[in-house]
Amino acid sequence: GQQVMQIPQYQHVQEGEDFTTYCNSSTTLSNIQWYKQRPGGHPVFLIQLVKSGEVKKQKRLTFQFGEAKKNSSLHITATQTTDVGTYFCADSGGSNYKLTFGKGTLLTVNP
Amino acid sequence: GAGVSQTPSNKVTEKGKYVELRCDPISGHTALYWYRQSLGQGPEFLIYFQGTGAADDSGLPNDRFFAVRPEGSVSTLKIQRTERGDSAVYLCASSRQGHGTEAFFGQGTRLTVV
Repeated sequence: GQQVMQIPQYQHVQEGEDFTTYCNSSTTLSNIQWYKQRPGGHPVFLIQLVKSGEVKKQKRLTFQFGEAKKNSSLHITATQTTDVGTYFCADSGGSNYKLTFGKGTLLTVNP
Repeated sequence: GAGVSQTPSNKVTEKGKYVELRCDPISGHTALYWYRQSLGQGPEFLIYFQGTGAADDSGLPNDRFFAVRPEGSVSTLKIQRTERGDSAVYLCASSRQGHGTEAFFGQGTRLTVV
């Protein structure tokens, strides 16, 4: 079945540094959704990317969908301690409902 | 309610016992999903309901797992003859339609089989 690979698995940064997590697939992704899960919490929807080459921004967060729709990235500018958590990408596949999640990238921020 | 509610938040059971996990979705959300999340992993799809019917149960690991949503709102995930490998956080999510729209997750039920 569809596999979504995320790198890195862990990332530790100093507050104020930038952070990027990457989501890759060997097959074409349908729609990519990004979620954030705080430690001990539940996944919270951040954004959905649908179109090839799409770029969306939410304040310090920038989301990109690759031209070939085989990769996506989430970039955080000037990290803050509130950014701590695990960031997951998920592909809806052709079903538009069954999400296949990556393993996530755990971000820790040193104040 | 304001969000997806799952009960209990924690459940410890002995191997071989039967458990039921409850999910109360956001009012008006027709789509409901169950996922399972093990430590250090992303959520893994189990089953999807559209209304009262299970539209896709392909993620259920085996026939010990079963889920219902008899009135198109509250759902119950049932696990028979629990095994230690069933230990995980069981997450419920709901959305207005299918996953083409934003999914809202509950806090999950942490199941521990001893």
